[in-house]
Amino acid sequence: QKEVEQNSGPLSVPEGAIASLNCTYSDRVSQSFFWYRQYSGKSPELIMSIYSNGDKEDGRFTAQLNKASQYVSLLIRDSQPSDSATYLCAVNMGRGSTLGRLYFGRGTQLTVWP
Amino acid sequence: DVKVTQSSRYLVKRTGEKVFLECVQDMDHENMFWYRQDPGLGLRLIYFSYDVKMKEKGDIPEGYSVSREKKERFSLILESASTNQTSMYLCASSFRFRGDSPLHFGNGTRLTVT
Repeated sequence: QKEVEQNSGPLSVPEGAIASLNCTYSDRVSQSFFWYRQYSGKSPELIMSIYSNGDKEDGRFTAQLNKASQYVSLLIRDSQPSDSATYLCAVNMGRGSTLGRLYFGRGTQLTVWP
Repeated sequence: DVKVTQSSRYLVKRTGEKVFLECVQDMDHENMFWYRQDPGLGLRLIYFSYDVKMKEKGDIPEGYSVSREKKERFSLILESASTNQTSMYLCASSFRFRGDSPLHFGNGTRLTVT
């Protein structure tokens, strides 16, 4: 069974704080990992991708990957109220006819209060 | 920029009607996907297609069928709509053979079956 688990949330942080979102996955050989942000009533939008162990930074966002622990996380520094959304972790675990299929976690709802 | 276009933003249909949801992408992606999203249940894959006329069942295919006659177009069909199919439907596309390919989502169709 291919599974992606996220910390259930909801997560609430004050403006300016660091928000930490976590994700674990079941397939040891997965190579591609993505974070999507979804505002209420909207479709998911890609905010980060990571393929190698370690950290990847993009502005206020940092994705962290540890393949040995099957763990990927997203840190949001200097959180803003506009960051309030649901964050989805996605892992490429497709094989054969399902090649390219991403498996999604259920998402973590983040609220940043002023 | 990748564009995934869903034909309708909102749809209201009656129980028993046959419903067509259309999706078109302009990036020559091999993979196309149909998801539904319900509160607390996350994204659930209904069907996907990895080539013209090819399809694979996802996690919840019951009550749905799909059609892919052209590479850029993927249709979801509700043969006889029921109230439990009221949901947000999301189409997505990606490259099949690029392991780093994220999914690109359309804007979604909110379907209400009365």
